[in-house]
Amino acid sequence: DIVMTQSPDSLTVSLGERATINCKSSQSILYTSNNKNYLGWYQQKPGQPPKLLIYWASTRESGVPDRFSGSGSGTDFTLTISSLQAEDVAVYYCQQYYSTPYTFGQGTNLEIK
Amino acid sequence: EVQLVESGGGLVQPGGSLRLSCAASGFTFSSYSMNWVRQAPGKGLEWLSYISSSSSTIYYADSVKGRITISRDNAKNSLYLQMNSLRADDTAVYYCARDPYDSTGYRYFQYWGQGTLVTVSS
Repeated sequence: DIVMTQSPDSLTVSLGERATINCKSSQSILYTSNNKNYLGWYQQKPGQPPKLLIYWASTRESGVPDRFSGSGSGTDFTLTISSLQAEDVAVYYCQQYYSTPYTFGQGTNLEIK
Repeated sequence: EVQLVESGGGLVQPGGSLRLSCAASGFTFSSYSMNWVRQAPGKGLEWLSYISSSSSTIYYADSVKGRITISRDNAKNSLYLQMNSLRADDTAVYYCARDPYDSTGYRYFQYWGQGTLVTVSS
């Protein structure tokens, strides 16, 4: 199984500041034939289901604000929120869909300072 | 608007069985592959199972293989999860989630239901 490890587990950032969440996979999730990284990012607010933010490591889902961006390749990935808003308080998960079982990181709890 | 509505959760004794349902609307259900994902209280997300649009391809996580069965009825726009031999550590919110396409590689979860809570306790 591919193990997804996020860092940090929790993060406190001031409003308007940048938030950075890291995700590392135990093996490469870059499919060389199409040069795509099989990595998604989700946001989960309390009492709600997860919401897809980013897929293919860097493609923003429709309707997601452009302050959210994804980067990285191979085994190391990053979700960046360029200017933190109050509504961004949530738990963030990365997920690999390169191979079954499709695995998630343990989550990063993002709070406002 | 895509809607996924889970039902069938509740309190069940250890060793018992439960069948979860996910009613889909707002899209052509028969054209999309589907998944079940669960989340134990206060914990992270765990993918459980995948089924292709025609039910021809099915995958399970090892943690639940042999105890769960995924199925779908395209005529009823419904996805199901039959769970047997339930244990306390199966206590979780169970979500159905839709893939963006029924195509190899497109296994991120574009739409999610609100979830149904399964509690396994005596």
